[in-house]
Amino acid sequence: AQSVTQLDSQVPVFEEAPVELRCNYSSSVSVYLFWYVQYPNQGLQLLLKYLSGSTLVKGINGFEAEFNKSQTSFHLRKPSVHISDTAEYFCAVRSLYNFNKFYFGSGTKLNVKP
Amino acid sequence: GAVVSQHPSRVICKSGTSVKIECRSLDFQATTMFWYRQFPKQSLMLMATSNEGSKATYEQGVEKDKFLINHASLTLSTLTVTSAHPEDSSFYICSASIDRSVYGYTFGSGTRLTVV
Repeated sequence: AQSVTQLDSQVPVFEEAPVELRCNYSSSVSVYLFWYVQYPNQGLQLLLKYLSGSTLVKGINGFEAEFNKSQTSFHLRKPSVHISDTAEYFCAVRSLYNFNKFYFGSGTKLNVKP
Repeated sequence: GAVVSQHPSRVICKSGTSVKIECRSLDFQATTMFWYRQFPKQSLMLMATSNEGSKATYEQGVEKDKFLINHASLTLSTLTVTSAHPEDSSFYICSASIDRSVYGYTFGSGTRLTVV
């Protein structure tokens, strides 16, 4: 089985500051890794995904994440945030052998202040 | 790109009534759709996997008689919450598989169910 831990439930940050949202996972098998964003009362939008290859993955809206296998982490970063980045961010994993099931973290609420 | 439409976006119903939520794949055929539930300030939990033309597969702890899933066509899956109670109030999100590859999952915009 897989599990995902998002260490911070809330991250307040000022506009134009950098931000890192942390994600660690546990799995006995190889996994694919994802970050999703959820705006209030909306569904999930894929930010980026790591499948294989380069460990630094670039996504939409200026976000990027780095896969670290030894630390089983997949932290999300943005060098300069905007007010519009205020949302809930979910880290998720899927097993290479079971495409049907995502395991989501508990989410991190990013609150960008002016 | 692949779009999943979910309807309604919000619904308020009285305790004891049933509510149907629709999930449609607009520009692709989805043999498999997934229903998630999200409690306030918590993550998404998979409830069931909906398979076109066959019975849904429910996750452990999900009452199949309470959460009826029907996947009658390649573009439509429905979730019916029967005899709804206030504890069923939640955010329900569907997801559809474009294909069976790792790329092919799209999430709907969700349905906020409030049972009063």
